[in-house]
Amino acid sequence: DAGITQSPRHKVTETGTPVTLRCHQTENHRYMYWYRQDPGHGLRLIHYSYGVKDTDKGEVSDGYSVSRSKTEDFLLTLESATSSQTSVYFCAISESHGGGQTFGPGTRLLVL
Amino acid sequence: RKEVEQDPGPFNVPEGATVAFNCTYSNSASQSFFWYRQDCRKEPKLLMSVYSSGNEDGRFTAQLNRASQYISLLIRDSKLSDSATYLCVVNMKTDRGSTLGRLYFGRGTQLTVWP
Repeated sequence: DAGITQSPRHKVTETGTPVTLRCHQTENHRYMYWYRQDPGHGLRLIHYSYGVKDTDKGEVSDGYSVSRSKTEDFLLTLESATSSQTSVYFCAISESHGGGQTFGPGTRLLVL
Repeated sequence: RKEVEQDPGPFNVPEGATVAFNCTYSNSASQSFFWYRQDCRKEPKLLMSVYSSGNEDGRFTAQLNRASQYISLLIRDSKLSDSATYLCVVNMKTDRGSTLGRLYFGRGTQLTVWP
């Protein structure tokens, strides 16, 4: 399997607190993605990166920011967590944008 | 209309059965297509790409009909281990002016294979 990890794997936090999720890859893939998965919605793209310091918004980017200072790391930050951001967050990587993606194990976030 | 639509199921079939899933997509200019499977509380994993001429991987056969904007996945001789949710995935250009396409995921079709 591709080397992609996410941390933390589970997190419980309170409304209004900042939260940062980390995605780390050892595959040297150019493209990295953050998705959230919720019942009834499937996977929805939050942000993606096409290189170091190069990022763009997905379809549900409000309330989220990202950073990519190194090829291997892609961080997702919830500046002020809300209960609507309770979800499972998946990171994914790919060699080409639009090609098949490999997913990390996911982070389960609960915002109380 | 949602970009990628699938019948959510659930499909409940006995071992050894043949089952087919269908998927439609909205953008006729889409270039690449995939089927993923996702086990309960796990990440999605790429099952197979879908090629224009159709392709087969063991018990799994994928078909693409560009004219109808339709993709299918056929599973023959179902195994208990095939129980999962199957996601139809299509690469489409975004609607925000970007020249880069990205993947759109269907909501998935749930399959349960019983002994």
